[in-house]
Amino acid sequence: AQSVSQHNHHVILSEAASLELGCNYSYGGTVNLFWYVQYPGQHLQLLLKYFSGDPLVKGIKGFEAEFIKSKFSFNLRKPSVQWSDTAEYFCAVKRAGTALIFGKGTTLSVSS
Amino acid sequence: GAGVSQSPSNKVTEKGKDVELRCDPISGHTALYWYRQSLGQGLEFLIYFQGNSAPDKSGLPSDRFSAERTGGSVSTLTIQRTQQEDSAVYLCASSPLADSSYEQYFGPGTRLTVT
Repeated sequence: AQSVSQHNHHVILSEAASLELGCNYSYGGTVNLFWYVQYPGQHLQLLLKYFSGDPLVKGIKGFEAEFIKSKFSFNLRKPSVQWSDTAEYFCAVKRAGTALIFGKGTTLSVSS
Repeated sequence: GAGVSQSPSNKVTEKGKDVELRCDPISGHTALYWYRQSLGQGLEFLIYFQGNSAPDKSGLPSDRFSAERTGGSVSTLTIQRTQQEDSAVYLCASSPLADSSYEQYFGPGTRLTVT
């Protein structure tokens, strides 16, 4: 079965630290890849997505992710986190004709 | 424009009762998805609709769960004879089509507590 693994359950950083959240998926065919974020008390919203082309994709709020096909990975990065980045982050994978398959999420806590 | 709306926002019910959760997708979105978010489990896919038909019901956890969509718009998720393990946040999302290139827009969810 297709699965999505997020390696870090809870990440704690100080402001200005760099962030990298890991995401691996198991499906070997063509997939579309997403990172969603859920800020405290808010809806899930899209951070960024990869469909094709440049494997380095840029999203909102200074986030970026790199698709490495050979490693089945789509890691999320941000060079310098802010307190307002405190949220839960979900990696998700989708194939044509199926629903999004989400990872279990990573909680990011940023201290000021 | 208006986003995805869900009602009620919170529902507390006694074990064994039936509950209905409602989702109003973004106008014009033909694809509608239901997910369940519970502690430690992340987001689990339940069912999705393209129009009024449900091509994929594979995520429904048991036959106590059912969903329907009428008029290509509003959807209702029904849980019969609720159990404590059904307690979770139920999320609805919609997208213009079920094609994977479209972003899904999520609603605020319904928090279900079964006592």
